Amino acid sequence: GQQLNQSPQSMFIQEGEDVSMNCTSSSIFNTWLWYKQDPGEGPVLLIALYKAGELTSNGRLTAQFGITRKDSFLNISASIPSDVGIYFCAGQSGDMRFGAGTRLTVKP
Amino acid sequence: NAGVTQTPKFQVLKTGQSMTLQCAQDMNHNSMYWYRQDPGMGLRLIYYSASEGTTDKGEVPNGYNVSRLNKREFSLRLESAAPSQTSVYFCASSDVWNNSPLHFGNGTRLTVT
Repeated sequence: GQQLNQSPQSMFIQEGEDVSMNCTSSSIFNTWLWYKQDPGEGPVLLIALYKAGELTSNGRLTAQFGITRKDSFLNISASIPSDVGIYFCAGQSGDMRFGAGTRLTVKP
Repeated sequence: NAGVTQTPKFQVLKTGQSMTLQCAQDMNHNSMYWYRQDPGMGLRLIYYSASEGTTDKGEVPNGYNVSRLNKREFSLRLESAAPSQTSVYFCASSDVWNNSPLHFGNGTRLTVT
């Protein structure tokens, strides 16, 4: 089946630092999405990307849909404590497949 | 709008017991999904319903059945629970099956002893 490799698995950063995470696949996807999950809750959509090469921002978050359609990255600038959580990438071509997640810890 | 509502939030079962997880959405979405989340493995699709009246297997369907009761409701049934089914289960919905973001419920944490 389609496998998404998300890295890093976890990050420990200082408040104010920038964060970068990425997702790669051996399969092509039509859509790439990034979700955030807080403890005890379901994932919430952060950014959806629909075209190869697309670069989209949502506040301090920026994500790109790789030109090969096999990868995507998410950047968070000037991190704050409420950025703590697990970030998932997802690729969609038919059903949606998820990466294993990046657990982000932000130290004040 | 409540979005996607799942019940129960927590459940403990003994091996061999059965139960049904309930899910309802109030966004008039056509498609609904059941995922399970296990540590280090992300979310894996169990079953989905692309539209009312249809259901299809996902990546890990064994041991589960589903019913799309109407456009709003999509239930997941475990006929004979096994410890390997200990997980957090998420229901999700989307406007269309293969080209719109998923909206998730808050999950059901199931433990099978």
